[in-house]
Amino acid sequence: DVKVTQSSRYLVKRTGEKVFLECVQDMDHENMFWYRQDPGLGLRLIYFSYDVKMKEKGDIPEGYSVSREKKERFSLILESASTNQTSMYLCASSPPWTGNTIYFGEGSWLTVV
Amino acid sequence: EDKVVQSPLSLVVHEGDTVTLNCSYEVTNFRSLLWYKQEKKAPTFLFMLTSSGIEKKSGRLSSILDKKELSSILNITATQTGDSAIYLCAAFQGAQKLVFGQGTRLTINP
Repeated sequence: DVKVTQSSRYLVKRTGEKVFLECVQDMDHENMFWYRQDPGLGLRLIYFSYDVKMKEKGDIPEGYSVSREKKERFSLILESASTNQTSMYLCASSPPWTGNTIYFGEGSWLTVV
Repeated sequence: EDKVVQSPLSLVVHEGDTVTLNCSYEVTNFRSLLWYKQEKKAPTFLFMLTSSGIEKKSGRLSSILDKKELSSILNITATQTGDSAIYLCAAFQGAQKLVFGQGTRLTINP
């Protein structure tokens, strides 16, 4: 079974803190994604990566950065957390386009106070 | 700009009813359309549709894609309380990005 693991499930951080959200997948997938999910807005793509050290901006990259130093790990970084970044963050991975779906982690609930 | 729009955003029905959820898309280099069900955690995969007019079925759920109309529907017959969830539609586009709609929150009352 494909496993996408988000190490932090629930976090509470203060405004201005630096936040790291880690995601690891065990299926040697090339593609990895970070989404945030907010009520009424669905899942919005923040960043994605199709190879090690490669990254592409999604629809809402402002206030975020990412790191992909190893194929299995894709980190989302909030350099200076703000209250409007309170959300549920979902990591996902997929092989290159083969007609397959993508695989999600369990989600990380971040509250910024 | 790539866009996926779902309707309705929220739906409340009684157990046993049949529901139809709608999804329309405008994405560059469209590859396929996917449906997910999300309860309290991560979305779980339901269907992937690549060919127009071919219905996919899984139990009481079915879905079909209309590439001419750039849309898809998800049908659920004989609904049960366990069908209560957010249903997400997403379009896979050429850059291997999955673009999601806002989701439809479905509530089934006993």
